[in-house]
Amino acid sequence: EPEVTQTPSHQVTQMGQEVILRCVPISNHLYFYWYRQILGQKVEFLVSFYNNEISEKSEIFDDQFSVERPDGSNFTLKIRSTKLEDSAMYFCASSQREENYEQYFGPGTRLTVT
Amino acid sequence: LAKTTQPISMDSYEGQEVNITCSHNNIATNDYITWYQQFPSQGPRFIIQGYKTKVTNEVASLFIPADRKSSTLSLPRVSLSDTAVYYCLVGLIGSWGKLQFGAGTQVVVTP
Repeated sequence: EPEVTQTPSHQVTQMGQEVILRCVPISNHLYFYWYRQILGQKVEFLVSFYNNEISEKSEIFDDQFSVERPDGSNFTLKIRSTKLEDSAMYFCASSQREENYEQYFGPGTRLTVT
Repeated sequence: LAKTTQPISMDSYEGQEVNITCSHNNIATNDYITWYQQFPSQGPRFIIQGYKTKVTNEVASLFIPADRKSSTLSLPRVSLSDTAVYYCLVGLIGSWGKLQFGAGTQVVVTP
């Protein structure tokens, strides 16, 4: 069964540094998403992406964040000047159709900012 | 997305049936009801989705009464591996985009 993959599984960075989290969505999917989950809290939507453009973003997704689909397979989340409060699990998801109810999530990247 | 309310936690023993009820009093006519499951340190996983009456798949059943103001996810004969957080989401089919997760229901299955 096709899966969404994410790398790295765990990233440790110092405050102020830039990180890039990588995702490979399922190959025939057209819609891509990033979510985050701070430890012990709920899963929060960050951004959705379709046709090489951001479709929707949350208030969390400010100028510190950016997304890119640099080639036909990867989907990246860049976090500039990381802060302690950016420490969280970041999940990439993808979906095939316009309906939003079935998204396929990756295993996540645990980001620790020290 | 319509606001949902579900229990914070539920405990069960192996082999029992677990029923999680979600309230969504403000569900709109075109809204569908979707359930996701999240194991520890993993991403959420779609379980089941329905509009009315009953839907069943290999993982669970979803019961939706005629007024659609609530829904019940039924997990038959749970095992230890069913320990997870279960999320109820209500939204308009076709309005693709963000999924808005609540706190979910933590189900703990013990031997």
